[in-house]
Amino acid sequence: AQTVTQSQPEMSVQEAETVTLSCTYDTSESNYYLFWYKQPPSRQMILVIRQEAYKQQNATENRFSVNFQKAAKSFSLKISDSQLGDTAMYFCAFMKQDHDMRFGAGTRLTVKP
Amino acid sequence: NAGVTQTPKFQVLKTGQSMTLQCAQDMNHEYMSWYRQDPGMGLRLIHYSVGAGITDQGEVPNGYNVSRSTTEDFPLRLLSAAPSQTSVYFCASSSKIAAGEPRGETQYFGPGTRLLVL
Repeated sequence: AQTVTQSQPEMSVQEAETVTLSCTYDTSESNYYLFWYKQPPSRQMILVIRQEAYKQQNATENRFSVNFQKAAKSFSLKISDSQLGDTAMYFCAFMKQDHDMRFGAGTRLTVKP
Repeated sequence: NAGVTQTPKFQVLKTGQSMTLQCAQDMNHEYMSWYRQDPGMGLRLIHYSVGAGITDQGEVPNGYNVSRSTTEDFPLRLLSAAPSQTSVYFCASSSKIAAGEPRGETQYFGPGTRLLVL
């Protein structure tokens, strides 16, 4: 079974600074997908960024980027120029080809003014 | 497009009662899934479907039934509610993975249903 571990239950960062959220996973699959989702107090799940395991290049989406280390089974999220609106729960997720998806327990990020 | 819709938004049940959580999507997605989210935890997969007529169990399927008679709808049934099923339930849909398609396998989530079982 696939497992996803987020070792940082809570983190905080000053506005405009950079923060990195950690995620590791365990799988025997060779082809899979990794995601970071944001969940603000509204509870809506919002996709932040995604990475295909077969791609070596790290994904980027504006201020968000990942450091994907396939051999180490690590998938960290870097948020640059943090904004107050980035305050939320962040979930790392792993998905197999058949769309069986597993989530980590989440990291609560607070951006301080 | 409405995306993924869920009804009701909030429901209170008594132990032993049954109910169906509704989920619908208008994006013609093949895949649909149900998750539950408990306090302090991430989402856990209950059941998922890879197409009409096909369903499979996820991580925590016990106490829940699903069926997929159409592409659009994927209802989740609680046959005999228990307090342990108090949670927030999310439905999600996604399309078939197509190589090179940037959003082909991204899951789109509904707004969630809060369920309280007394």
